[in-house]
Amino acid sequence: DGGITQSPKYLFRKEGQNVTLSCEQNLNHDAMYWYRQDPGQGLRLIYYSQIVNDFQKGDIAEGYSVSREKKESFPLTVTSAQKNPTAFYLCASSIVLAGALDEQYFGPGTRLTVT
Amino acid sequence: AQSVTQLDSQVPVFEEAPVELRCNYSSSVSVYLFWYVQYPNQGLQLLLKYLSGSTLVKGINGFEAEFNKSQTSFHLRKPSVHISDTAEYFCAVISRMDSSYKLIFGSGTRLLVRP
Repeated sequence: DGGITQSPKYLFRKEGQNVTLSCEQNLNHDAMYWYRQDPGQGLRLIYYSQIVNDFQKGDIAEGYSVSREKKESFPLTVTSAQKNPTAFYLCASSIVLAGALDEQYFGPGTRLTVT
Repeated sequence: AQSVTQLDSQVPVFEEAPVELRCNYSSSVSVYLFWYVQYPNQGLQLLLKYLSGSTLVKGINGFEAEFNKSQTSFHLRKPSVHISDTAEYFCAVISRMDSSYKLIFGSGTRLLVRP
């Protein structure tokens, strides 16, 4: 089955440690995205990538980093510089058709807790 | 920049009653709108989308939405809800940023279906 996988489902870290969240898709989509979800705030875009070896900052990129070395993989690193890292993180992907955006497909999410 | 407003943070309703979840967007020349559903601790799933054409859009699970350009609205409706419809619902609009596009999400509406 085609889809997006995120691992792990739950992640616990001590403050001051960097942590990397995995996102893999086998949909052959060009574009991939990382969102952060906090209660009552909807989804906020962290980073996005529309092609391999290229990515752009979203609305809340500070304290995060990404890489896009392969089309199917878009890992997110939450660094110690991120002030409030505890959140639910969602990865998504989409086809980019003639420069426009089609629907995004979402992974199941990773809940990160930093204490 | 585009924006989306979901006026209700929570909508309680009894099973088998009709429901409407409201969404308003900021006006733009071209508008592409989406409704997503999120069940607890899961990713988002597309319910329906409006890209062009008929203003009444039918989606999965018996949901539909109507694009109203004069009122800049895209309200989601279902004539008879089930307990299983209890979830968070997000309205989203495409916004163009430089040479690419991104989805702007509303803050979400929690639908609570009671027996």
